[in-house]
Amino acid sequence: AQSVTQLDSQVPVFEEAPVELRCNYSSSVSVYLFWYVQYPNQGLQLLLKYLSGSTLVKGINGFEAEFNKSQTSFHLRKPSVHISDTAEYFCAVRNSGYSTLTFGKGTMLLVSP
Amino acid sequence: SQTIHQWPATLVQPVGSPLSLECTVEGTSNPNLYWYRQAAGRGLQLLFYSVGIGQISSEVPQNLSASRPQDRQFILSSKKLLLSDSGFYLCAWRPGQPNSPLHFGNGTRLTVT
Repeated sequence: AQSVTQLDSQVPVFEEAPVELRCNYSSSVSVYLFWYVQYPNQGLQLLLKYLSGSTLVKGINGFEAEFNKSQTSFHLRKPSVHISDTAEYFCAVRNSGYSTLTFGKGTMLLVSP
Repeated sequence: SQTIHQWPATLVQPVGSPLSLECTVEGTSNPNLYWYRQAAGRGLQLLFYSVGIGQISSEVPQNLSASRPQDRQFILSSKKLLLSDSGFYLCAWRPGQPNSPLHFGNGTRLTVT
């Protein structure tokens, strides 16, 4: 079985501050990991993905994430956020033998001036 | 390039009425197709997925059903809507490779009154 825990339902932060959104997963086999962003009343857009290789992956809009196998984590980071980064962020995992993707419950990033 | 179309964008239906949401993918063949539902604060719930024409897997018992009459068409239906069916419905697709990410449509906001 696979599961994803996003520990924070909301993260408030000021503009130009750094941010980290936490994601932990549960899986007994090798995994593929993803972060998605969702703006209000829109579908989800892929931010970045970890498939294999380097544990630090870079995505769109200046975001990056680090895969930590020993801690089963895939935290998302950005060194300096913008107002336009206000959105909901979803972490997702798929075991290599599965067709389906399991999502966390999401973290709402609220960036204020 | 591949695109996914989902309609309608919003829908208001009375309790007990039927439902049909349609999703089509262009620019690819034999995609894996998915229906998710998103309720406030509950993340994304996988409802159905399909790896080929006529092949439907149901993840959660519902009064909903899905069909795939053509390779790139995925339909979500109900004979009689319940109030609890309200939510944001998202269609998604991905190629058959196991490490490929999901690509989402823009979603349908369904309100059952």
